[in-house]
Amino acid sequence: QQQVKQSPQSLIVQKGGISIINCAYENTAFDYFPWYQQFPGKGPALLIAIRPDVSEKKEGRFTISFNKSAKQFSLHIMDSQPGDSATYFCAASKAGGFKTIFGAGTRLFVKA
Amino acid sequence: DTGVSQDPRHKITKRGQNVTFRCDPISEHNRLYWYRQTLGQGPEFLTYFQNEAQLEKSRLLSDRFSAERPKGSFSTLEIQRTEQGDSAMYLCATTGALGYTFGSGTRLTVV
Repeated sequence: QQQVKQSPQSLIVQKGGISIINCAYENTAFDYFPWYQQFPGKGPALLIAIRPDVSEKKEGRFTISFNKSAKQFSLHIMDSQPGDSATYFCAASKAGGFKTIFGAGTRLFVKA
Repeated sequence: DTGVSQDPRHKITKRGQNVTFRCDPISEHNRLYWYRQTLGQGPEFLTYFQNEAQLEKSRLLSDRFSAERPKGSFSTLEIQRTEQGDSAMYLCATTGALGYTFGSGTRLTVV
């Protein structure tokens, strides 16, 4: 029940294309769903986050879509750029909780 | 500069040796977390401090691991009698309004 399942493991997208990464969770107590971006040799950095009271959140080229009934959420990167090449982690946490559960990550490569 | 400084960045040690890592948040934060990240995986929770009190420890944190935050500012993570399975990136993080601020981590290699 604590798992967050992320797919795909790796993704290759052409420059200008849309990158889509999917995540699913089991624990309905989760109420905060952030996405992190990690470059080699660096710690993960918060990218965008959503709460389950909204179905979509957009920040620049990054959009989270959230489906509460299906317990799924996804990250869309529009107009993908080579600089977006990184590992992306979805995550989930619950109010009052002290830890965040991370997915296994998706390695994105954007071809120039 | 992420707001969390970790030292050292890399550590290579022989199996059986003890190692200690340090985490320094740049500004005051009540909560401080340690996570471990192995190759190809997401970070896994190890332990968490509220000020100087260690409030939760993961079962991943065996008796060989100990963490401290003596004055509620910096924190240390010590691993005694290191094993090859301890090889990983050890990440320290503080929390902001929206999520974690991670340091760049300490990469431990046990040979």
